[in-house]
Parts: sequence; structure tokens; C-alpha cells
Amino acid sequence: QVHLVQSGAEVKKPGSSVKVSCKASGGSFRSYAISWLRQAPGHGLEWVGGITPIFRKPNYAQKFQGRITITADESTSTAYMELSSLRSEDTAVYYCARGDSDIVASLFDYWGQGTLVTVSS
Amino acid sequence: EVVLTQSPGTLSLSPGERVTLSCRASQSVSGNYLAWYQQKPGQTPRLLIYGASNRATGIPDRFSGSGSGTDFTLTISRLEPGDFAVYYCQQYGSSPLTFGQGTKVEIK
Repeated sequence: QVHLVQSGAEVKKPGSSVKVSCKASGGSFRSYAISWLRQAPGHGLEWVGGITPIFRKPNYAQKFQGRITITADESTSTAYMELSSLRSEDTAVYYCARGDSDIVASLFDYWGQGTLVTVSS
Repeated sequence: EVVLTQSPGTLSLSPGERVTLSCRASQSVSGNYLAWYQQKPGQTPRLLIYGASNRATGIPDRFSGSGSGTDFTLTISRLEPGDFAVYYCQQYGSSPLTFGQGTKVEIK
């Protein structure tokens, strides 16, 4: 059984950066894409970007280009998402989710528990 | 970008009723790579349907998906108390991956 465990809640100031981790266990970490998604309070789901560890090349949603960095560390089976130049609109629960193949454009069959990132002065 | 529009926004129904949720795409979804998720308050989304019509592992057969191209449907044949939730469609045929805004199924 695949488990994704994310790092804890964060409170950040506008203009700063946040880095969230997602540690995987069970299954093959390197061969399945990991995506990051977010859900603002009371809103729907939004895809931020993803990476397949074996390929190392991330794929980002255009909206976040220039502010987002997604990486994966095969040695620890951990994926990371760093978002910079934070603004209040970035306040959301951020999820990591595993795809069903090595393609980033995929469905999501396993999800992390979510990490609340609050951006407030 | 493929924009997904779900309708209706909210449905008020009673247990035992049949539910039909719609997801319409702004352009044809490549490969009919369309998934449906269920999300309950405070929980993570749960995959129900993939490839427009295939039930995910462990999903009861009262959930079914249909459609192709730009029009897709999720049907729940008989609502059970645990089915009251928000349902999202997602296309994964092209990047960026996109979701519909969700349909809330609430108890009448």
C-alpha cells in the first residue's frame, strides 16, 4: 500500500517562500509521477505541477512558472514543492498526489494528507 | 487549457435517489482521460472513476461513469448516506491538468 506523508502546517509572510515535503512509502517512488495540487478554503482543486523522479524534469502549470520549484530525492523517496513570492491568495491546503504511471499528466490514486499554508502579515 | 464546467453546482437529494452529475469540457478530452473524485469535508479526494467509465479499486458498482469527447457524466444509482459530498471531474489528457469546480450533493 502506498502512503504519502506531508510536512506540517506553515504560516508565512507575504513575499517569503515555503517548502513542503512529501515522503512516499510502499510501491516504486522513482517510476511514478508525483504532482502537487492546492485547494484554497472553500474552493476547488488546482494542479500546480509535477515530476517523475526517474526523469527529474518537472512540469509546471503556466500560472506558477517562475515561482514554483518541484524536486524529488530518490534516496529518501521524498518530493518537494517550493513556492516563492508568496501572497495572500496562495493560502491553501497543498496536496501531493501520486499518478498511476510515469507520466505527469495522469489521474491521482494516492494522496498525501495535505499541508495548510497560510500567508498572512 | 481544457476548461471543465460541472453542473449543477449543488444538488439536494434524499438517500435512495438516483444522481446524475455533468462535466462538460471546452474542447475534446484527449483519450477520454477523464476522472471523477469524491471529497468529503476535511478529507482528501478519493478517486472514483478513471478513463471516463472505469471504476477505481474498491468503488461500489452504484457509481458509474460515461461519456466521451466533451460531455461526461457520473451517475450514482442509489444514494447512500456516505455519498453526500463534493464531486470533481478532472481531465488528464493534456497539460495543464484541470478540474471542474465541483458539484455538491447534499441531503435534502
